[in-house]
Amino acid sequence: DVKVTQSSRYLVKRTGEKVFLECVQDMDHENMFWYRQDPGLGLRLIYFSYDVKMKEKGDIPEGYSVSREKKERFSLILESASTNQTSMYLCASSLSVRGRETQYFGPGTRLLVL
Amino acid sequence: GQNIDQPTEMTATEGAIVQINCTYQTSGFNGLFWYQQHAGEAPTFLSYNVLDGLEEKGRFSSFLSRSKGYSYLLLKELQMKDSASYLCAPRGLTGGGNKLTFGTGTQLKVEL
Repeated sequence: DVKVTQSSRYLVKRTGEKVFLECVQDMDHENMFWYRQDPGLGLRLIYFSYDVKMKEKGDIPEGYSVSREKKERFSLILESASTNQTSMYLCASSLSVRGRETQYFGPGTRLLVL
Repeated sequence: GQNIDQPTEMTATEGAIVQINCTYQTSGFNGLFWYQQHAGEAPTFLSYNVLDGLEEKGRFSSFLSRSKGYSYLLLKELQMKDSASYLCAPRGLTGGGNKLTFGTGTQLKVEL
């Protein structure tokens, strides 16, 4: 079974704090993704990575950065948290096999920025 | 860009059949996924279509028409546990062909 874990289920931070969200997958997947999910807006892609030390911007990268130093770990960083970054953050990983790629999601981190 | 349209909410009766439609426009097309998401939980994979036609998997089936930019998810013999949000996610050819774009989801409520 694929297992994607995230460091926290719930997190409360203050405006201006630096926030780290960690994601780890144990299936040797090449691809990893960070999304945020907000009511009425669905899942939106923040950043993704195809390989170690590689990253690409998704649809809404502003205010975020990422780090992928090891294949199994993909970190999302909020350099200076703001209230509009209050959201559910979902990490996913995937492996491409014969052109088919299925993303598997972690349990999510619900972040509240005060 | 990518545009995805699916109904916001649907209600159905336990034991019945329900069809959730999704229309999409993508920059190229490289497959379409359906995910199920229960409240407060992560999305879980349901189905994948890349060619036209129907893919059946137990009580769930998914249909794709690439020329029409249209897919549906069919749920048979509905159970109360099927109450969830169902997300349509086409995959375009941008971002290395691996980038999914998710619809806002259809909230399905199964009633007795």
